[in-house]
Amino acid sequence: GAGVSQSPSNKVTEKGKDVELRCDPISGHTALYWYRQRLGQGLEFLIYFQGNSAPDKSGLPSDRFSAERTGESVSTLTIQRTQQEDSAVYLCASSPYSGPRPQHFGDGTRLSIL
Amino acid sequence: GESVGLHLPTLSVQEGDNSIINCAYSNSASDYFIWYKQESGKGPQFIIDIRSNMDKRQGQRVTVLLNKTVKHLSLQIAATQPGDSAVYFCAEAGGAGTALIFGKGTTLSVSS
Repeated sequence: GAGVSQSPSNKVTEKGKDVELRCDPISGHTALYWYRQRLGQGLEFLIYFQGNSAPDKSGLPSDRFSAERTGESVSTLTIQRTQQEDSAVYLCASSPYSGPRPQHFGDGTRLSIL
Repeated sequence: GESVGLHLPTLSVQEGDNSIINCAYSNSASDYFIWYKQESGKGPQFIIDIRSNMDKRQGQRVTVLLNKTVKHLSLQIAATQPGDSAVYFCAEAGGAGTALIFGKGTTLSVSS
């Protein structure tokens, strides 16, 4: 499809395991964003990529969280040693370039830590 | 810290009514504002945006109003339909960053 694609759509894992979440942005979009949404809450910014570089990582909550982007396309968000408080929906968005313009969101990965 | 908030967590209207969803923001440096609609199990869907050099912008059945004096943003939906039922978020951006700062959302329920 033409939209932002995220996989898996749902992930259930045990506390302490590592997880990897994937985002395929809209083709040609150079800016890519990761957000976290806890149940009933708004979205919290995690990290922003421009191309393959991450000029703003200020939202990553701890060093257990990391992300990378390759080929100015696919991005992966990795959470190591997961904790129950990591349970949330992780949303990815892309836009043609950075700055004040609409970001187009995927449907997210719902992560549940047991 | 600075954040975007919404005045009411829920809003219930009848089909055909006009809906107004309000949002207050605190960062006077923000120069871009955007409204999203989020249905259950889906990602946020862009509705309309506005830059700080404007005070009103209209789309199809939607209007966004920006009052910079009191740092207030509103979304008006004309002739609300059951399909408009969702959570609505406002978000702001500006200053040196590019990330959107989201409020907690207003749940709009439309009854027929």
